Amino acid sequence: SAVISQKPSRDICQRGTSLTIQCQVDSQVTMMFWYRQQPGQSLTLIATANQGSEATYESGFVIDKFPISRPNLTFSTLTVSNMSPEDSSIYLCSVEVITSGRVNEQFFGPGTRLTVL
Amino acid sequence: AQSVTQPDIHITVSEGASLELRCNYSYGATPYLFWYVQSPGQGLQLLLKYFSGDTLVQGIKGFEAEFKRSQSSFNLRKPSVHWSDAAEYFCAVYGGSQGNLIFGKGTKLSVKP
Repeated sequence: SAVISQKPSRDICQRGTSLTIQCQVDSQVTMMFWYRQQPGQSLTLIATANQGSEATYESGFVIDKFPISRPNLTFSTLTVSNMSPEDSSIYLCSVEVITSGRVNEQFFGPGTRLTVL
Repeated sequence: AQSVTQPDIHITVSEGASLELRCNYSYGATPYLFWYVQSPGQGLQLLLKYFSGDTLVQGIKGFEAEFKRSQSSFNLRKPSVHWSDAAEYFCAVYGGSQGNLIFGKGTKLSVKP
């Protein structure tokens, strides 16, 4: 398994500002993902954080808006830039851990609840 | 494209009653299916998963799920619900373009005393 922590757990921000969310894992992992959960919605993948290279973004998400860093195998950051109220969501970090079988398990952090005024 | 449908947005059951949460998936090959639970203010916790083999899967907290290929379903069940089971439940299938999970919209479970 993996224990994941995120900072901050919640924040209230003003329109036009940026917030950086940190994700720390207690073990080295290869795959690390960032998801967004908008109010009343499901989880949507933003990007995969790649160690040593640029993140891989899903359609609809761009690096200028959601820059991601992955300096090592246990840590990543997601920045939400130039925020608007539409960015109010829960942002979750997830890691994939090798288990028995062909499909590995994904573990999730507690999330960062962001409110943009 | 792969997708997951949870038809019930909100379900209320009485404590001690049985529970079934529905999940339908769309996936071209053999699906790898998961159920997660999200309690208020918490992250997602894995309840159970199906990769292959026995179609009835046992999970934590007394939950089980049955994979039915003919119905493209993976419904979650619990014989007797406890008040602490009140939470949001997400069904997911493995197979996003980046090896990620694809989630349903979730079912919120409320438990009446």
